[in-house]
Amino acid sequence: EVQLLESGGGLVQPGGSLRLSCAASGFTFSSYAMTWVRQAPGKGLEWVSTISASGGSTYYTDSVKGRFTISRDNSKNTLYLQMNSLRAEDTAVYYCAKLVRGLNDAFDIWGQGTVLTVSS
Amino acid sequence: EIVLTQSPATLSVSPGERATLSCRASQSVSSNLAWYQQKPGQAPRLLIYGASTTATGIPARFSGSGSGTEFTLTISSLQSEDFAVYYCQQYNNWPPCSFGQGTKLEIK
Repeated sequence: EVQLLESGGGLVQPGGSLRLSCAASGFTFSSYAMTWVRQAPGKGLEWVSTISASGGSTYYTDSVKGRFTISRDNSKNTLYLQMNSLRAEDTAVYYCAKLVRGLNDAFDIWGQGTVLTVSS
Repeated sequence: EIVLTQSPATLSVSPGERATLSCRASQSVSSNLAWYQQKPGQAPRLLIYGASTTATGIPARFSGSGSGTEFTLTISSLQSEDFAVYYCQQYNNWPPCSFGQGTKLEIK
């Protein structure tokens, strides 16, 4: 079964750091670009970051550039999102997702999400 | 950045009827548009990509059409499990890819 399982969410103070993980199974992880999408409470979907299959190319939405780092370990079938200098507006459910094929593509497999709350 | 505008914000339809949801892009996205369904407390699910290609496992009552700036998601005969929020997404001009604000499909 194709599956993505996020972990690492929690309650963090403003200015703090956290690393999210996304464990993949059921498909050849190293062949696909991966992405993080977030959803603030009661709001819509917001793309956060995408990484190429090899990990050599990364992309970020403007609001997280310089603060978040996406990475992957293809030997462990795991995607990461390192989040630093966290702000209240980063509070959201964070989903990892697999792209259908290439870098500019739809997201066909989603994890169940992990909740990040940034609050003092 | 491309802005996607979905209409209506809320659509009330009776089970068994047809539902038509719209998504308009602020500039052409060719056919690089997807539709997702999201139920409360769940992750989004891909329904349509490439504007009209149905994703794996999606029932045939879901169909997508359009290109350029105007897109439509049609659900031919609504089932109880179809009542949810629907989002469109463009991935033509990215980064960033962008999502519409969503259409809530509710039971009439």
